[in-house]
Amino acid sequence: KNEVEQSPQNLTAQEGEFITINCSYSVGISALHWLQQHPGGGIVSLFMLSSGKKKHGRLIATINIQEKHSSLHITASHPRDSAVYICAVKDDKIIFGKGTRLHILP
Amino acid sequence: NAGVTQTPKFRVLKTGQSMTLLCAQDMNHEYMYWYRQDPGMGLRLIHYSVGEGTTAKGEVPDGYNVSRLKKQNFLLGLESAAPSQTSVYFCASSYGDDTQYFGPGTRLTVL
Repeated sequence: KNEVEQSPQNLTAQEGEFITINCSYSVGISALHWLQQHPGGGIVSLFMLSSGKKKHGRLIATINIQEKHSSLHITASHPRDSAVYICAVKDDKIIFGKGTRLHILP
Repeated sequence: NAGVTQTPKFRVLKTGQSMTLLCAQDMNHEYMYWYRQDPGMGLRLIHYSVGEGTTAKGEVPDGYNVSRLKKQNFLLGLESAAPSQTSVYFCASSYGDDTQYFGPGTRLTVL
C-alpha cells in the first residue's frame, strides 16, 4: 500500500468549477506539502501545513491530522490552473504522492 | 535572485559514461536535495544535504554520489550511467526543514 494516496488521478473540469483534490496518508507526519507542477515541468510549492487550513488567492488547503487526510481546493478554476498537483508528507523523510493531473477546459 | 538553477537542462549519455549535474541556489539555504521523477511514480529523494560539507542518503541513492563543498552548490554525480537512470532530475533547497524551492529540472537519457 502506498504511504501517500491521491485522488483522483486525473480530473477534467470546466472553467469556473470548484475543484477538490484529496490526499490520504498512512504514516505519522510533521507537515504536509502541496506542490504544483506546470505542464513545462517546473515545480512550485503551494502550501506547507501541519494543522487547520491555509488560503492563498483561489487556493485553499486543509488538513485533518486525526483522519490523516488533506484536501486542496481551487475556487473559480481557470485553464491556467491546469497542472499536476502533488501531495507530500514529511516526518523523518519526505514521501510524495504520484500527483493529480488537472485539466481545466475553457 | 535566480532562485535554484540546474545545469545542464538536457543530456544524453551512453551506458557507462559519467557526468555531474550542478545545482546552485542564491537564497542562502542550508538544506539542498536531489530528486528523480519517473513516469507513474512520485518524486523520490536520491541524496540530501543539511549544510555545507554534509550529505546523506535518501530513498534511492545507489549509483549516485553527491558533494556539497560550497553552501550554494550541490553536485550530483553518476560514475557509470545505466539506462535505469534515465529520468528527470530535480534539485531543491530550503531554509531549514521548511518550504522547498525547486530547480527547473534536468532531463537525462541514458542509451
